[in-house]
Amino acid sequence: AQTVTQSQPEMSVQEAETVTLSCTYDTSESDYYLFWYKQPPSRQMILVIRQEAYKQQNATENRFSVNFQKAAKSFSLKISDSQLGDAAMYFCAYRSGGNYGGSQGNLIFGKGTKLSVKP
Amino acid sequence: NAGVTQTPKFQVLKTGQSMTLQCAQDMNHEYMSWYRQDPGMGLRLIHYSVGAGITDQGEVPNGYNVSRSTTEDFPLRLLSAAPSQTSVYFCASSYFLRAASGANVLTFGAGSRLTVL
Repeated sequence: AQTVTQSQPEMSVQEAETVTLSCTYDTSESDYYLFWYKQPPSRQMILVIRQEAYKQQNATENRFSVNFQKAAKSFSLKISDSQLGDAAMYFCAYRSGGNYGGSQGNLIFGKGTKLSVKP
Repeated sequence: NAGVTQTPKFQVLKTGQSMTLQCAQDMNHEYMSWYRQDPGMGLRLIHYSVGAGITDQGEVPNGYNVSRSTTEDFPLRLLSAAPSQTSVYFCASSYFLRAASGANVLTFGAGSRLTVL
């Protein structure tokens, strides 16, 4: 079974600085997707960025980028120029790309990292 | 376009009571799912469905029932609530396509906070 591990329960960053959130995963599959979700105090789950395993190029969305190391099964999120609005819980998630009769729709989440941004 | 709508947003139950959390989506998504979120545990899958009439269990299905009579609706039923079911519940949906990675992104509802006393 696949697992997702976020080893940093809490992180803190100064406004305008850069922070990296760690995520590792375990899988025997070669076809899969990885995601970072943001959950602000409003509780809404917001997709930050996604990465297809077959793509070697790291995904980037404005100030958010990932470092995807497939061999090491690592998927870290870098937030540049941190803003007060970036303060939230961040979840790393895995989704199978294979055809397993329906279960490939399911996300497997890490336990989350709470990010604080200091003004 | 309302996306994924969950009701109620908050609910307090007594042990042994039953209730249904409603989830509706208007995006014609085939795949729908229910997750629960507990402190320090992330989100864990309860049940999921890949189309009307088809449901299956996730990681933590005990104490919950689901049905999928239409594409739009996927209610979650607690038959006899227990304090261990105190949690925040999320419904999520997506298209069920392998080809286009963008189409596989889950859309989440706003969540329902349930407290069982």
